[in-house]
Formats: sequence, structure tokens, C-alpha cells
Amino acid sequence: RKEVEQDPGPFNVPEGATVAFNCTYSNSASQSFFWYRQDCRKEPKLLMSVYSSGNEDGRFTAQLNRASQYISLLIRDSKLSDSATYLCVVKIMDTGRRALTFGSGTRLQVQP
Amino acid sequence: GAGVSQSPSNKVTEKGKDVELRCDPISGHTALYWYRQSLGQGLEFLIYFQGNSAPDKSGLPSDRFSAERTGGSVSTLTIQRTQQEDSAVYLCASSLAVGQADFYNEQFFGPGTRLTVL
Repeated sequence: RKEVEQDPGPFNVPEGATVAFNCTYSNSASQSFFWYRQDCRKEPKLLMSVYSSGNEDGRFTAQLNRASQYISLLIRDSKLSDSATYLCVVKIMDTGRRALTFGSGTRLQVQP
Repeated sequence: GAGVSQSPSNKVTEKGKDVELRCDPISGHTALYWYRQSLGQGLEFLIYFQGNSAPDKSGLPSDRFSAERTGGSVSTLTIQRTQQEDSAVYLCASSLAVGQADFYNEQFFGPGTRLTVL
């Protein structure tokens, strides 16, 4: 079983739509959580960190449910420029381990 | 300021040859990470450096893979006797000093080296 699981998509949505991505993680030692965005043939870039209380950044809202080991990302009023792969990422902070663990990504295609 | 840089951007090699991939982290970032991404796959952790030491090498897939970091800055990932399954994009990332408050230190990624083994 993968440590971080995501629906690969693709999610094809019209401009202006609201779309939600979900992610589950299996390691209860996971301490911090992120959504990264990766454009085609580019490096991943941090979209937002995900805090226990949930957080919002403009059109993007992230939620964390530690009890269910579940993370979500909501994108409102989708733009064409939101088309990308969204990577769910956790950091496991047990002994000596500092790397990020990535899901395989969910591809979003926003259509005109 | 300058971001993470990697070289070469593309490398095509023949099976059995050795390759060296270079990463130049953001100045002042003491933590450095190597990942690889195979076609259509998520990122796979390879090795992590804190300064010049590597406390976590758990992701290196075989003893053909090694990495070093000198002067707390530039890192080189070496793959010996390359195999076709080594073909992937090799990504380097760096972040600020690691400590107990490291939970949300952002990792900044370089553009990657696309390795193709024929």
C-alpha cells in the first residue's frame, strides 16, 4: 500500500467550476502536510501547507483530518491556469527522516 | 535570488555507463534532498543531506547509486553502470536548516535532470 494515495484523475472541469481533491496517508507519524503543484515537465512548487485548523489562500482551501488521515484541497472558480497536477505531500518526522513523501498526483484540466 | 540549479538538464547515456548529476542548492540552505520521478509516477525519495552528512540514504535503490556533498553546498549524484530502469527525471531540492521547528520548512526544487538510458 502506498504511503500517500490520491485519485490520479484526470478531472476535467469547465472554467468557474469548483473542484475538490482528496488524499489519504497511512503513516500516523506524518507531522506536516502540503499540496504541491506540478506543471507538465516542470518541477513541483509549493501551493500551500495544510494546517490542522484548515487554511485558505484565495480560491484554494485545504483541510486536514488527522483522525481519518485524510487531506483535501478545494479550488473555487477554476481558471485555465489551474490546469496542472496536484501532489499531496506529507512529511514524516520520525528518527532521521526529513524527506517529503509524495502521492502520485491528481491531474486537473480546466476547459474553456 | 537564484533558485536551485541542476546540470545537465538532459543526459542521454548508454546502458552500463556511469553518470554524474549535479545540484547547486539555494545559498544558505543546509538541507538538500534528491528525488527521482519516473514517467507518470510520483516523486521517489533517494537521499537527504544535512550539511555534508547524509543521515538518510534509505531511498537509494541499489549500491550503484551514491551521492556526496562538499562544502555544505553542491551535491553530486552518481549512478554507476546505468540500467534502462534508471531512466527518470532526477530532482534536487533544498531547504533551510533542519530542527525541531522544521515541520513546515518549504523545500524548493530545481528543474531536474532528465536521464535517458538507451
